Amino acid sequence: ETGVTQSPTHLIKTRGQQVTLRCSSQSGHNTVSWYQQALGQGPQFIFQYYREEENGRGNFPPRFSGLQFPNYSSELNVNALELDDSALYLCASSSPDRGGGYTFGSGTRLTVV
Amino acid sequence: KNEVEQSPQNLTAQEGEFITINCSYSVGISALHWLQQHPGGGIVSLFMLSSGKKKHGRLIATINIQEKHSSLHITASHPRDSAVYICAVSLAGNQFYFGTGTSLTVIP
Repeated sequence: ETGVTQSPTHLIKTRGQQVTLRCSSQSGHNTVSWYQQALGQGPQFIFQYYREEENGRGNFPPRFSGLQFPNYSSELNVNALELDDSALYLCASSSPDRGGGYTFGSGTRLTVV
Repeated sequence: KNEVEQSPQNLTAQEGEFITINCSYSVGISALHWLQQHPGGGIVSLFMLSSGKKKHGRLIATINIQEKHSSLHITASHPRDSAVYICAVSLAGNQFYFGTGTSLTVIP
């Protein structure tokens, strides 16, 4: 049983650029959630995908978008990067059909300069 | 206003001490989660609770739905327990709210 893998682990981007972060879900999990964690803060919910469709979204602007693929892996895309987007981005997979427990990835640390 | 409040924010304990971290929430939830985050960011899900009490090794989590309160207890604390412990709640409709975490340091 594999865990959740996120890539890349670290990334530096320039303000205004676009970024794509990737997450592979744990085997058997069909739901992926994305979170943004600013320094010294708790994670903030961005959105969740279930079977390739978005089925929940937090208070983030439309320039944060996502995809889930048939193998349940997922991407988080952020357009027009702002300095405040610098954060740790965490992905978690789960399976509501199997009790809903979450497995988190180690995160991608994004720095916008 | 934060929907999830944790206390204390920081906690230092001597090895062997019994530790309690508290979490209060203000919204109706479908489940409450206790998470452990180590330096570098990786998060481990410790417990998911919707009622009662769960135990795993030296960790115990309890929840009182009526009082909207949960506690995480660590018995016989050890330096390797040093981490940030985060309380999170999940709502119907897949909305999640997280506390800001409790930073625990256990001194040998």
